[in-house]
Amino acid sequence: DGGITQSPKYLFRKEGQNVTLSCEQNLNHDAMYWYRQDPGQGLRLIYYSQIVNDFQKGDIAEGYSVSREKKESFPLTVTSAQKNPTAFYLCASSQFTGTEAFFGQGTRLTVV
Amino acid sequence: GENVEQHPSTLSVQEGDSAVIKCTYSDSASNYFPWYKQELGKRPQLIIDIRSNVGEKKDQRIAVTLNKTAKHFSLHITETQPEDSAVYFCAASRGGYALNFGKGTSLLVTP
Repeated sequence: DGGITQSPKYLFRKEGQNVTLSCEQNLNHDAMYWYRQDPGQGLRLIYYSQIVNDFQKGDIAEGYSVSREKKESFPLTVTSAQKNPTAFYLCASSQFTGTEAFFGQGTRLTVV
Repeated sequence: GENVEQHPSTLSVQEGDSAVIKCTYSDSASNYFPWYKQELGKRPQLIIDIRSNVGEKKDQRIAVTLNKTAKHFSLHITETQPEDSAVYFCAASRGGYALNFGKGTSLLVTP
């Protein structure tokens, strides 16, 4: 089954802990993205990557980190520096930037 | 960077009526404008997109229009059905940059 997979679907963490969200795609896409979705805020860009070993900050990168060691994978780490981490996180990929993006099913992170 | 504004934030229509959602963008270099539909608890999915060399595109009951001069584009849904109820997002981007999304429009189609 081809596509983009995020895991886990639900994630609970204690305040002050770092947590890593997984995103894998088998679409052979060059570009991958992380968005955060909060009610009434739309999709806000955290980080994106156009190629392996390269990534750019989005509008709300503070408190997050990413890596792109493999074309298929783009994990997102939510660090303890992120002041309000509870949110719905969406990963996406596209052939190149400026083309159709395909989304994963999302990870709902709750920090207590 | 690119800034995308979307209106209205909520829209309620009767089944069979038309629905129009409007977006404006700030970066005149943007050349790709997709629209996504997100049903409750699900991932956003592309419903239609348009590039800057085209003024209008239609797919059955859905159409998108683009005015490059005014930097705005619109989604038109005709003959709405209850299953059209969802949140719709517009976005804009160009090569080398990620999609920038509007804040979404919650569409409710009542029978």
